Amino acid sequence: GQQVMQIPQYQHVQEGEDFTTYCNSSTTLSNIQWYKQRPGGHPVFLIQLVKSGEVKKQKRLTFQFGEAKKNSSLHITATQTTDVGTYFCIRGGGYQKVTFGTGTKLQVIP
Amino acid sequence: NAGVTQTPKFQVLKTGQSMTLQCAQDMNHEYMSWYRQDPGMGLRLIHYSVGAGITDQGEVPNGYNVSRSTTEDFPLRLLSAAPSQTSVYFCASSYTSGADYEQYFGPGTRLTVT
Repeated sequence: GQQVMQIPQYQHVQEGEDFTTYCNSSTTLSNIQWYKQRPGGHPVFLIQLVKSGEVKKQKRLTFQFGEAKKNSSLHITATQTTDVGTYFCIRGGGYQKVTFGTGTKLQVIP
Repeated sequence: NAGVTQTPKFQVLKTGQSMTLQCAQDMNHEYMSWYRQDPGMGLRLIHYSVGAGITDQGEVPNGYNVSRSTTEDFPLRLLSAAPSQTSVYFCASSYTSGADYEQYFGPGTRLTVT
């Protein structure tokens, strides 16, 4: 299938530590998007990556798209309690069906 | 813009009952989809549509029907509710063309089947 695997499934970090989640696909991706879902909420768009090797930054968040366009990562520098939630990558878009990665649940210990 | 709206927010059904979850968007998005999220799990695609009159199955379509008669609306029908369909249901929409495929999500419907 075209499932996108994410690792790790769970991550507990001390506030101020860094955090990284990885998204891996067995097939080449035309694009990848990242979303954050707070507990009890709905997924909220963070970013879309399209180009091979692309790197984008949003304040403490850094997103990368692999050279082969089969993997991606989200890195958070100096986590804060507001970063708590589940981070999902998703594949698809346009006329392609959109499917979710398995997600990484982040807990930040104050 | 109201964005993506879903009704109802909460629903309790008895096994065997049928109901329709409503989803509407006012952004003129061609793509609309339904997901279910079980406790502690990711989102699984039920059905999706790339435009009025066009629907297709996702990963977990059994027990659900959809139709898309207008661009704005994409209702999800549970034909005969089962306890295994207890879940949170999210509707989402996006453009199909251009460079931006951001998915806009509704607030979700929390469904319990007893």
